[in-house]
Parts: sequence; C-alpha cells; structure tokens
Amino acid sequence: EAQVTQNPRYLITVTGKKLTVTCSQNMNHEYMSWYRQDPGLGLRQIYYSMNVEVTDKGDVPEGYKVSRKEKRNFPLILESPSPNQTSLYFCASRDRSWSSGANVLTFGAGSRLTVL
Amino acid sequence: AQSVTQPDIHITVSEGASLELRCNYSYGATPYLFWYVQSPGQGLQLLLKYFSGDTLVQGIKGFEAEFKRSQSSFNLRKPSVHWSDAAEYFCAVGFRDNYGQNFVFGPGTRLSVLP
Repeated sequence: EAQVTQNPRYLITVTGKKLTVTCSQNMNHEYMSWYRQDPGLGLRQIYYSMNVEVTDKGDVPEGYKVSRKEKRNFPLILESPSPNQTSLYFCASRDRSWSSGANVLTFGAGSRLTVL
Repeated sequence: AQSVTQPDIHITVSEGASLELRCNYSYGATPYLFWYVQSPGQGLQLLLKYFSGDTLVQGIKGFEAEFKRSQSSFNLRKPSVHWSDAAEYFCAVGFRDNYGQNFVFGPGTRLSVLP
C-alpha cells in the first residue's frame, strides 16, 4: 500500500530533550515536506526537500532540523524542544512531476508532540 | 507571496442542508488548487483538485468546487451534507518557486453537522 509513515504518533517529552520524528514513504517520491498544525493557523510548512541532499526552509523553520540522506526518509529533528513546539506534525510527499496526475500531496497520519 | 484565506473558521449546518466553504488565494500565475479534509484524529485526505480545463471539478464524497479566476476563489460545495462530513477542511495552492514547486495551505474551516 502506498503510504507515508510517521513515528511516533504520540510523544510527550520535556524541554531540552532532543527528539526525532521519523517519516518514510514507499512511493519513490522526490518531494517531501514537514508541516505543523495549530488551531486557527492551519498547516504551516517547516522544511521541505526537493530531492536527496536538497532541503530548504519553509515558513516556520526555527527550532527544527531535517536531513534527506536517502529518498524514502525525511526525519524531523528537534535539538532542544520547547513548549511552543507542542503541536501536531504532518509529513507529506509527492512525485516530482508537476503534471496533473502527480501533483498531489500524500500525508502521513500525524505525530502529536507535547513538550512540557 | 502566495497565500490562502478561508474566511469561515467554523460553520455549522444541519444534516441534509447544502454547504459552501469559501477559499480565496493570492498568486500571480495560474494556480493549482486543492481541497483536503481532515476527519477527527486523522490525517489529510484529498477531496479534489484543479489544474486546468473545466472550472467545475468533482471530487470524492459528493463534493465539488468551482474555480473563479476573476474572484481568485475556489469554493467547495456539497448539495446535501451528511453527519460523516463533520471535519476540518483545508484549501491549498500549489505554486512554482525558485526551487521547484511547493504548497501553501489556508487556516482551515471546521464543519459541524447537526442531526
């Protein structure tokens, strides 16, 4: 089944304790992206990646890091989490082609993070 | 910069009533437009998309949307709402930037359905 898999789905941590949220897709997609969802703000892009070793900042990159060492994986790293990073996080991917049939984001199920 | 607005934060309709969710975008070129739905506790699912051609597009679950270039709008409609349609709905724009192609999402509209 074509899918984007995020782990963990739920996490409670404390301020300053480094954590990584993994994201993996099995569709051979080149584009991958991380979003955070907060009430009233919708989905805001954190980082995105057009291909292996190519990443760029989205709208809210502060406090986050990413890496794209292989096509299928795009982990989100919080080096020193703070309470304002408590949020619902989504990973998404899509095919590189901008053709009408391929230009659709496939989302993971989400990871709910609480930083105390 | 590209942006998407959804003027209604929360809408409540009765089951069986018609529905229209508003979406306006700001983008200098022809946009790619999307509606996604997020059911409680779930991820986002694509309802429909517009790339070109017929400005009225049909999606899943009986939804449709109409692209109006003159109004920079892409409103979502359904003639008869079901209780299972209660969810959050996001409008999104796909656009080209310096690095390729990217997306921006609106803030979402939460739909409640009364029995």
